[in-house]
Amino acid sequence: GAVVSQHPSRVICKSGTSVKIECRSLDFQATTMFWYRQFPKQSLMLMATSNEGSKATYEQGVEKDKFLINHASLTLSTLTVTSAHPEDSSFYICSARRQGLQYFGPGTRLTVT
Amino acid sequence: QQQVKQSPQSLIVQKGGISIINCAYENTAFDYFPWYQQFPGKGPALLIAIRPDVSEKKEGRFTISFNKSAKQFSLHIMDSQPGDSATYFCAASKNSGYALNFGKGTSLLVTP
Repeated sequence: GAVVSQHPSRVICKSGTSVKIECRSLDFQATTMFWYRQFPKQSLMLMATSNEGSKATYEQGVEKDKFLINHASLTLSTLTVTSAHPEDSSFYICSARRQGLQYFGPGTRLTVT
Repeated sequence: QQQVKQSPQSLIVQKGGISIINCAYENTAFDYFPWYQQFPGKGPALLIAIRPDVSEKKEGRFTISFNKSAKQFSLHIMDSQPGDSATYFCAASKNSGYALNFGKGTSLLVTP
């Protein structure tokens, strides 16, 4: 099956610092990956679409300078939350597209203190 | 704006019963309708998906019913088990490989 991993699974950081989250497709190459954010007991909201070798496409209302996305290879996309604040605390989930289907990673729980 | 509306928000079903979750959409350009299961602290896992050219799809205990004219689709879980207790999300997209529009989710509890 298609496996997507995320690292770290949990991270706690202080307000004002930056945090990088990695999303890897372990057994397939993904030209397109997606980043979602999920607040407690809420649905997944698309933040951005990440395409290998090109700039990410951000959804309306998502600050591209705050949420930096880099899709440097066919198996890795990274999301960097810059100058994190407590309101950025959330569950960040990536997905990778393979043969027309999306496979989700296990998520990263970010807590900003 | 929520492009996919899901109900109920929560559902309690006895073991062995049928769990039914409904979703509705407005965008007629959507042509891929998956259902995901999510356990606390985990990413969503694809359960079953359907395209508009069929009205029903069954995989094991899970069945999707699709009504194109009404722009509605539903998930039926037959013989519900306590292990099915999770949050279920319906979703829709213009293509199976495009970004998904998720419903708000249904928290299912199957009691022993």
